[in-house]
Amino acid sequence: EIVLTQSPGTLSLSPGERVTLSCRASQSIPNSYLAWYQQKPGQAPRLLIYSASSRATGVPERVSGSGSGTDFTLTISRLEPEDFAVYFCQQYGNSPRLTFGGGTKVEMK
Amino acid sequence: QVHLQESGPGLVKPSETLSLTCTVSGGSISNYYWNWIRQPAGKGLEWIGRMSTSGTTNYNPSLESRVTMSVDTSRNQFSLKLSSVTAADTAMYYCARISPYYYAADVWGQGTSVTVSS
Repeated sequence: EIVLTQSPGTLSLSPGERVTLSCRASQSIPNSYLAWYQQKPGQAPRLLIYSASSRATGVPERVSGSGSGTDFTLTISRLEPEDFAVYFCQQYGNSPRLTFGGGTKVEMK
Repeated sequence: QVHLQESGPGLVKPSETLSLTCTVSGGSISNYYWNWIRQPAGKGLEWIGRMSTSGTTNYNPSLESRVTMSVDTSRNQFSLKLSSVTAADTAMYYCARISPYYYAADVWGQGTSVTVSS
């Protein structure tokens, strides 16, 4: 089983700031099948990034993903008020099995 | 635009079977993986399992002994049964579509809350 560790647990930031979220896998993720989701209170998760760096439909350009192997990053270049939320990474392995990271909460300072 | 809607009882007694259905509208149920994912209040996401319209299923090993998924292509629905439930199964249950090309959930239902309590 591939375990995903997200850090930090919580970030306190202001609108306009740049944010970088980390997702580290316990072993290399095949084919970079790594996705990022945003979840707001009372809502289902929303897909932001798939295949480590491809933006999903409708996701603004200020949101980007990068990484390969075991280290992946989600970056939001300038935080907008609607970006304050919880972010999860997710991987698909050869088991086949999906696993999620524990999440990072981005809160307003 | 594809829309997913979960349905089922919001309250299940301990030791009984939780049964949920996800109805797919606005698109074909073919050529995707259909998944169940749950989230206890205030916690992270847990993948329960997936199935294809050909009937192939894959389950989370931690739940595999209690999970059964099925699909009804004529009704554009897929279903989850989780047996012998306990309070630990109390959660928001989501159905979600995953593409076989990039293995990410691009469409989610709004979720249905299930409480296990006598």
